[in-house]
Amino acid sequence: GESVGLHLPTLSVQEGDNSIINCAYSNSASDYFIWYKQESGKGPQFIIDIRSNMDKRQGQRVTVLLNKTVKHLSLQIAATQPGDSAVYFCAERGQGFSFIFGKGTRLLVKP
Amino acid sequence: EPEVTQTPSHQVTQMGQEVILRCVPISNHLYFYWYRQILGQKVEFLVSFYNNEISEKSEIFDDQFSVERPDGSNFTLKIRSTKLEDSAMYFCASSGQGDNEQFFGPGTRLTVL
Repeated sequence: GESVGLHLPTLSVQEGDNSIINCAYSNSASDYFIWYKQESGKGPQFIIDIRSNMDKRQGQRVTVLLNKTVKHLSLQIAATQPGDSAVYFCAERGQGFSFIFGKGTRLLVKP
Repeated sequence: EPEVTQTPSHQVTQMGQEVILRCVPISNHLYFYWYRQILGQKVEFLVSFYNNEISEKSEIFDDQFSVERPDGSNFTLKIRSTKLEDSAMYFCASSGQGDNEQFFGPGTRLTVL
């Protein structure tokens, strides 16, 4: 069946370093993916998205890479800041408008 | 900046009682969603709503659940007879287009005793 998972539950990085958060998905037919950030006590916040006809998409300090061959998605955060500390999870569009979410990776940024 | 709002922020109820969770989506959005997140677990899709009807629902969204858009601004989730396992954060989201970014509300924490 469809599933979205994450390789690392917790990632700890030094302020200023780059962070890479990974996600694996199982449905090769998925055509749209989103990375969300969730801070404690808040709802998920959109970071960046990518469609399956692209390999890479860049935003401000963030880059999403999509490798359809191995069904892998990654989020790269450049010059990580303390405000980036949160849980990050990927979401894969399932059937129609529904999304399948991964459990999340907690990013801890050390000053 | 427009945002999705949800009320109440925390709802405590007895098992078997009905609850209504309320959401005000972003005003010009057309697609509306409910998700839930059990503590420590991943966000799970419940239902999507477009053009005054349900467009999709998950296996979680059984006969105990219903959604309604009673007026031009509110979008509600009703649980008819709550169970202990319904305890979770419930997030409402909306989007302008069906395949665009979904904007999430802050969530309602439902506690069923």
